[in-house]
Amino acid sequence: EAGVAQSPRYKIIEKRQSVAFWCNPISGHATLYWYQQILGQGPKLLIQFQNNGVVDDSQLPKDRFSAERLKGVDSTLKIQPAKLEDSAVYLCASSGRDRAYEQYFGPGTRLTVT
Amino acid sequence: LAKTTQPISMDSYEGQEVNITCSHNNIATNDYITWYQQFPSQGPRFIIQGYKTKVKNEVASLFIPADRKSSTLSLPRVSLSDTAVYYCLVAFDTGRRALTFGSGTRLQVQP
Repeated sequence: EAGVAQSPRYKIIEKRQSVAFWCNPISGHATLYWYQQILGQGPKLLIQFQNNGVVDDSQLPKDRFSAERLKGVDSTLKIQPAKLEDSAVYLCASSGRDRAYEQYFGPGTRLTVT
Repeated sequence: LAKTTQPISMDSYEGQEVNITCSHNNIATNDYITWYQQFPSQGPRFIIQGYKTKVKNEVASLFIPADRKSSTLSLPRVSLSDTAVYYCLVAFDTGRRALTFGSGTRLQVQP
């Protein structure tokens, strides 16, 4: 079974630029999560999708972050414009309907904003 | 205030049992408590989850007291490859189901 795929693995941008991250969850997984993990901290949930609907986006900075999950499969997370404090690893995870609490994580995208 | 508390770090030797506790208040009554392991430059990996009392699988045990205000991950006979950061994940009931990872416990296993 293929795991959660994310790209790119690394990205360096200047502040005020925009960036987009892509995630392909495990086939058949209805729930998709985006997390932000700042160095030395636990992952922080940004947004949770159930199929293509948003379940929780309460911690997503909506003035600069946006996410979509078209057709309930792949997802894209965008930051526009980026700030220095957005430097972090962005993790995507997915879970199946019958094991909603067992999340499978991708390798993450390390973003550096200079 | 919804908050989890974990020890920042722990040291152990190969072959010993390690217990890592996560304290949490006001977690959702119908949600599981889950533990993850994370190696550098990788995403977290599921270890075990439980609702109450004790759960055991091939790699770990999870103890949850009746009041569910804490949980303890038990790793039997650790090896060098268990050196990693361990996180608890809970759902707080704050009017919505707030999935929250702990701050993590860095476990260092020595030979």
